[in-house]
Amino acid sequence: DIVMTQTPLSSPVTLGQPASISCRSSQSLVHSDGNTYLSWLQQRPGQPPRLLIYKISNRFSGVPDRFSGSGAGTDFTLKISRVEAEDVGVYYCMQATQFLGSYTFGQGTKLEIK
Amino acid sequence: EVQLVQSGAEVKKPGESLKISCKGSGYSFTSYWIGWVRQMPGKGLEWMGIIYPGDSDTRYSPSFQGQVTISADKSISTAYLQWSSLKASDTAMYYCVRRGIGRGLDYWGQGTLVTVSS
Repeated sequence: DIVMTQTPLSSPVTLGQPASISCRSSQSLVHSDGNTYLSWLQQRPGQPPRLLIYKISNRFSGVPDRFSGSGAGTDFTLKISRVEAEDVGVYYCMQATQFLGSYTFGQGTKLEIK
Repeated sequence: EVQLVQSGAEVKKPGESLKISCKGSGYSFTSYWIGWVRQMPGKGLEWMGIIYPGDSDTRYSPSFQGQVTISADKSISTAYLQWSSLKASDTAMYYCVRRGIGRGLDYWGQGTLVTVSS
């Protein structure tokens, strides 16, 4: 299985300041079809997860443009340009490059306000 | 509007069987894979497996193969997750999710809390 490693595991941020979360995969996430199936999800307290970004950098419908994704190969980053109170929660990266039974998530990064 | 609506919370005893459901609406249910994700109390997300309701093609995570059964009834746009003999360690929140654009997990059910306790 591909192992997804996120850093940091906890990120205290001041409102209005930027935040960044890294995700590293144990092997390249480039699929044989040329796409890289790396996505980011947000889970607010008490809520189901929500898709933010798919294929590295594509924002899902309704996601504010303060969220952006970047990276390639095995190293990926989620950035929040200016953190708002509603951004508190846990963020997960996820790979869907490997075969269907073996998708994997990162451990999660808890974003909290200082 | 795309929706996945899951069945309600369950409290079971070890050794009992259970089948929880996930009903899709607002889209062509047979055209998208539906996955299941486990979240144990206070922990992260774990991929369990996935089914294509159009032909019931099913794939399991090695960690869950043989532990659960995923199925679907396309006539009623519903996917299922079932256990034949629950253990206390199956206590968790279970989410169904649609695999959508760019293989992103784009729509999630509200979750079904399963509690297994003697």
